[in-house]
Amino acid sequence: QVHLMESGGGVVQPGRSLRLSCAASGFTFSDYAMHWVRQAPGKGLEWVAVISYDGSYENYADSVKGRLTISRNNPKNTLYLQMNSLRDDDTAVYYCVRQAPTSPFDPWGQGIMVTVSS
Amino acid sequence: DIQLTQSPSFLSASVGDRITITCRASQGISTYLAWFQQNLGKAPKLLIYAASTLQSGVPSRFSGSGSATEFTLTINSLQPDDFATYYCLQLKSYPYTFGQGTKLEIK
Repeated sequence: QVHLMESGGGVVQPGRSLRLSCAASGFTFSDYAMHWVRQAPGKGLEWVAVISYDGSYENYADSVKGRLTISRNNPKNTLYLQMNSLRDDDTAVYYCVRQAPTSPFDPWGQGIMVTVSS
Repeated sequence: DIQLTQSPSFLSASVGDRITITCRASQGISTYLAWFQQNLGKAPKLLIYAASTLQSGVPSRFSGSGSATEFTLTINSLQPDDFATYYCLQLKSYPYTFGQGTKLEIK
């Protein structure tokens, strides 16, 4: 069964750092590109970043470029999001999502909350 | 960046109704469009990809159509589980972008 599970969220002060992880199981992780998507409280979905299946390509939303970094460890079947210089508007539920040539953006993890607050 | 505009933002309907949600792209995206359903407090669920291909396991009352700049999601014979928020997503070019969402409420 294909499964994604995020971890590492919590409350952090503005300007500080946090690293999210997404553990993948039930499929060959190294075959798939992966994304992070976030959703601020009461708001819509925002695409954050993508990484290719082998980690050779990354792309970011302008709102996070230079502060958030996506990476992956294929032998550990894990996706990461390193979040630096956090701001109040980074407060959101963060989802990891698999990309396939068919069935893009499926499945999604259950999401992990990140709250940036002093 | 490609902007997606969904309409309406809110929709009130009854069980058994047929509804349509529109997603307009600011430039042509061929059929690189997906639709998602999100229930409160849950992760989004893929309904349709490539504008009109039904994801495995999704009921056939859901359908999608369109290409280039105008797309529609249609739900026939609304069921209680269908009252949720719906989003479109363009996968033509980065940065990927979502529509602002359509909240479907019970009348």
